[in-house]
Amino acid sequence: NAGVTQTPKFQVLKTGQSMTLQCAQDMNHNSMYWYRQDPGMGLRLIYYSASEGTTDKGEVPNGYNVSRLNKREFSLRLESAAPSQTSVYFCASSDRTLANTGELFFGEGSRLTVL
Amino acid sequence: AQRVTQPEKLLSVFKGAPVELKCNYSYSGSPELFWYVQYSRQRLQLLLRHISRESIKGFTADLNKGETSFHLKKPFAQEEDSAMYYCALSSYTGNQFYFGTGTSLTVIP
Repeated sequence: NAGVTQTPKFQVLKTGQSMTLQCAQDMNHNSMYWYRQDPGMGLRLIYYSASEGTTDKGEVPNGYNVSRLNKREFSLRLESAAPSQTSVYFCASSDRTLANTGELFFGEGSRLTVL
Repeated sequence: AQRVTQPEKLLSVFKGAPVELKCNYSYSGSPELFWYVQYSRQRLQLLLRHISRESIKGFTADLNKGETSFHLKKPFAQEEDSAMYYCALSSYTGNQFYFGTGTSLTVIP
């Protein structure tokens, strides 16, 4: 099993450019998440999707959009990249139900630099 | 509002010494608490969760609701424990996981 797969692993953008980070999981999990990791700030939730067809904002959603394409895939889009969006982005998934405490499984991360 | 605080950004201990990574939380409900670890060049992964009450790689963490703490402890640190550690919180019924700012642990040989 690949688990959670993110692409691309590295990307350099110019201010104003757009791009989409792709994420796919093969564990049949209901919930998927996008986090950004910044020095001294830890992991901050951007958006999450509790189930196929639903998405919700997290702590830092501004400047981002998401799509839960199907149960496997959850993409993160930057419409007009800004230097403040330079970060490492992590996708995660969880099999979260009321009867399950729901461990998070993470991708390897995508390092994005906006010049 | 949910909040997870890890007061130490950096922590260094000598091999064989005890180690404690602090985590405090605020949450208006019944939280689930977790410790996640990120070793160099590896994915972030679950280390332990309070509901399991288990010891993983010699680490334990006890949920203290009175002090709203979930400190991670190990009696004898090993070099392979060097990593970034994150404390995280979620609700039993919620779908959001909130992370602290992380503590980078270095075990000195």
